[in-house]
Amino acid sequence: EVQLQESGPGLVKPSQSLSLTCSVTGYSITNNYWGWIRKFPGNKMEWMGYISHSGSTAYNPSLKSRISITRDTSKNQFFLQLNSVTTEDTATYYCASSISTGFTYWGQGTLVTVSS
Amino acid sequence: DTVLTQSPALAVSPGERVSISCRASEGVNSFMHWYQQKPGQQPKLLIYKTSNLASGVPARFSGSGSGTDFTLTIDPVEADDTATYFCQQSWNDPTFGAGTKLELK
Repeated sequence: EVQLQESGPGLVKPSQSLSLTCSVTGYSITNNYWGWIRKFPGNKMEWMGYISHSGSTAYNPSLKSRISITRDTSKNQFFLQLNSVTTEDTATYYCASSISTGFTYWGQGTLVTVSS
Repeated sequence: DTVLTQSPALAVSPGERVSISCRASEGVNSFMHWYQQKPGQQPKLLIYKTSNLASGVPARFSGSGSGTDFTLTIDPVEADDTATYFCQQSWNDPTFGAGTKLELK
């Protein structure tokens, strides 16, 4: 069974960096695509970016200057870093897998609040 | 960005048929997917690439459409289907609709 689990701080100060980890079990991240999606208060969902089976990345243009997605294949984990956060980045962050056939597997999500 | 437009809410009675629509601002080929999300849970993939049922999803759910207009149909609706339903396209950079909240009368 494929499982994804997000982890990281639930509170980040404005102007700092948000860093999250997605730990994957039951499937190797050297296959498929692995991404980050966030859901804002009020329900809006936003695709942030993904890292592919080969390690290539693609990012939402609206975030391109602030976002980085990396991975550690030895631990079967991938990571999100979002720099220079503001209160507008307060959201529930999900890691998920697959792209062209929809996001098949999702983590449970982690709420990140940006506040001083 | 490819903007996806959904109706905000629908209310139906158990046993009825309901259709939830999603209109794209440009053609997305067949790369439209549908999700169900209940409060406090992660989204669950129901339909991928317009009309393909995801693993473990009941056959009461079906999808159709082409080009810019797509539909998720639930027939018959059950009480457990109370949730918000999102469409999402992956023909261009992925984008999501704002969601349709389905309530049961």
